[in-house]
Amino acid sequence: DTGVSQNPRHKITKRGQNVTFRCDPISEHNRLYWYRQTLGQGPEFLTYFQNEAQLEKSRLLSDRFSAERPKGSFSTLEIQRTEQGDSAMYLCASSLDGSGNTIYFGEGSWLTVV
Amino acid sequence: AQSVTQLDSQVPVFEEAPVELRCNYSSSVSVYLFWYVQYPNQGLQLLLKYLSGSTLVKGINGFEAEFNKSQTSFHLRKPSVHISDTAEYFCAVILGNYGQNFVFGPGTRLSVLP
Repeated sequence: DTGVSQNPRHKITKRGQNVTFRCDPISEHNRLYWYRQTLGQGPEFLTYFQNEAQLEKSRLLSDRFSAERPKGSFSTLEIQRTEQGDSAMYLCASSLDGSGNTIYFGEGSWLTVV
Repeated sequence: AQSVTQLDSQVPVFEEAPVELRCNYSSSVSVYLFWYVQYPNQGLQLLLKYLSGSTLVKGINGFEAEFNKSQTSFHLRKPSVHISDTAEYFCAVILGNYGQNFVFGPGTRLSVLP
């Protein structure tokens, strides 16, 4: 399967701990996106990479959040000092360059902060 | 700024009945429009998209949508639904020029009843 891959799929952590999620995009896709989705809501944009460059960040991405894509392939999203409000599904997506191209989503990583 | 409105948070319908899920957007520039479906505990899957050309777009699983520029709408329809269509449906819009991220609506929960 060559779709977008995310891991771990589920993570339960204690408040104050750090967590890291990994995303492997579709291999030829140079754009990579991170979204957050809470129950009953649509996905909310967090950040976007064009190759290894992080070109856009939402104001939702507080200073406790950091995303990287060091070699323009896989990406990591780290949340430091987690809070209960961080509990959500974190979705990764990728697409080819150019406007209007479909973005393809991974299965998501569920985070529960207790 | 652009936003996406999905007026119906939940739509119950009996099996084999027709369904329409409504989507309206607000944007002063040309847009690309998408419908995604999300099954429980899964990521989002593209149903169909409108970029240009014919305003009636056909997608997977028998769904279609019609772009209406004057009404700024992109309603999703299916003439006969199945139990397996039960899922969350999200309308999304992206800017027509150099837009880098999708804006999703809040979603409509379609429940198909036997």
